[in-house]
Amino acid sequence: QSALTQPASVSGSPGQSITISCTGTSSDVGNYNFVSWYQQHPDKAPKLIIYEVSARPPGVSNHFSGSKSGNTASLTISGLQAEDEADYYCSSYSSSTTLVFGGGTKLTVL
Amino acid sequence: QVQLQESGPGLVKPSETLSLSCSVSGASIGNYYWNWIRQPPGKGLEWVAYIHNSGSTNYNPSLNSRLTISLDTSKNQFSMKMISVTAADTAVYYCVAVSGLGWAFDTWGQGTMVTVSS
Repeated sequence: QSALTQPASVSGSPGQSITISCTGTSSDVGNYNFVSWYQQHPDKAPKLIIYEVSARPPGVSNHFSGSKSGNTASLTISGLQAEDEADYYCSSYSSSTTLVFGGGTKLTVL
Repeated sequence: QVQLQESGPGLVKPSETLSLSCSVSGASIGNYYWNWIRQPPGKGLEWVAYIHNSGSTNYNPSLNSRLTISLDTSKNQFSMKMISVTAADTAVYYCVAVSGLGWAFDTWGQGTMVTVSS
């Protein structure tokens, strides 16, 4: 059982927007702005796409955005593209286990 | 640009010790937090441990008793040893750098598959 809770799957059509939630507790997501998001294509290493809740690393498309409210962080992908189809993971600093991941969400672009 | 490359045995027998190394290029090993993250086949990511050149280490509490992480600044690499492995330790193991972007894992190695089987 993962420390952070994500939906197992989400889907959307090209051009649409989708949001993936990441729910933790007051020991992690709720207490730190150290939430990050990763995109993983099949048989590839994960890639950082959001850090510190809503910041994008250089070179990451601005159709990825992040936010947080209370114990829940969210990743929004606007203007879905076929290449966005991948697994997405959230991560947070935690006072109890230092660094924790969500269970991952499979995004299907219809 | 930091680049990471894992090396390891591929196959380990149950109850034996798993040893992995990560070679770092493009950066001084003294400037980052160096992590191991693993991913069992078809499953999600699990943070394993980190080390910093200050000597600071931190381990996943669920693995703590079986793990040792170390740093070799002369070789610009870091390593991990896990004792008493079982089939549940079968996974792709990634070495990963945290350079300071708010505890985000910003640079990943390609990963190395480790299978625990007799």
